[in-house]
Amino acid sequence: EVQLVQSGAEMKKPGESLKISCKGSGYIFTNYWIGWVRQMPGKGLEWMGNIYPYDSDTRYSPSFQGQVTISADKSISTAYLQWSSLKASDTAMYYCARSPPLFAFDTWGQGTMVTVSS
Amino acid sequence: EIVLTQSPGTLSLSPGERATLSCRASQRVSSRSLAWYQQKPGQAPRLLIYAASSRATGIPDRFSGSGSGTDFSLTISRLEPEDFAVYYCQDHGSSPRTFGGGTKVEIK
Repeated sequence: EVQLVQSGAEMKKPGESLKISCKGSGYIFTNYWIGWVRQMPGKGLEWMGNIYPYDSDTRYSPSFQGQVTISADKSISTAYLQWSSLKASDTAMYYCARSPPLFAFDTWGQGTMVTVSS
Repeated sequence: EIVLTQSPGTLSLSPGERATLSCRASQRVSSRSLAWYQQKPGQAPRLLIYAASSRATGIPDRFSGSGSGTDFSLTISRLEPEDFAVYYCQDHGSSPRTFGGGTKVEIK
């Protein structure tokens, strides 16, 4: 069974750093892009960026470029989304999802809720 | 960057009725690159339609997608109780892979 399993919910303070993870199983991890999608409370989906674990080719939405870092460790079939200095406005649910090249997101993780509050 | 505008924002219908959702792009989108997703409260999105009109695995045939160029639509032929949800379109062929703002289909 193809699965993406994300790390658990996080509660952080403004200015703190954070790295959340997304582990793929049941498929060849390096053959699919992994994307990250933000959903702020009560709002729609926002594509943040994606990574191709085979060669670590990474693309960012202009809205998120410089705000987050996407990475992957293909040896453990895991992708990451990280922040160096969180803001309250980063409070959201974050989903990872896989896609074949130039294809839609066919499998989604369960989501990681990130809450940033002083 | 392509902007996807979904309409209406909310669609109030009864079970058994037909739902037609619209997704309009600010620039031409390849028909191979337009997807539709369904999201229910507390759940991750689920792929319904890819390449504008192909149903994803396990998706009932009451869901259909159509369109080309800048105008696309998702039709649910007869609404079942489990279809009341939020629906998003996405251009997955360009970068950034923009989502539309969503259409909520609610029970009338």
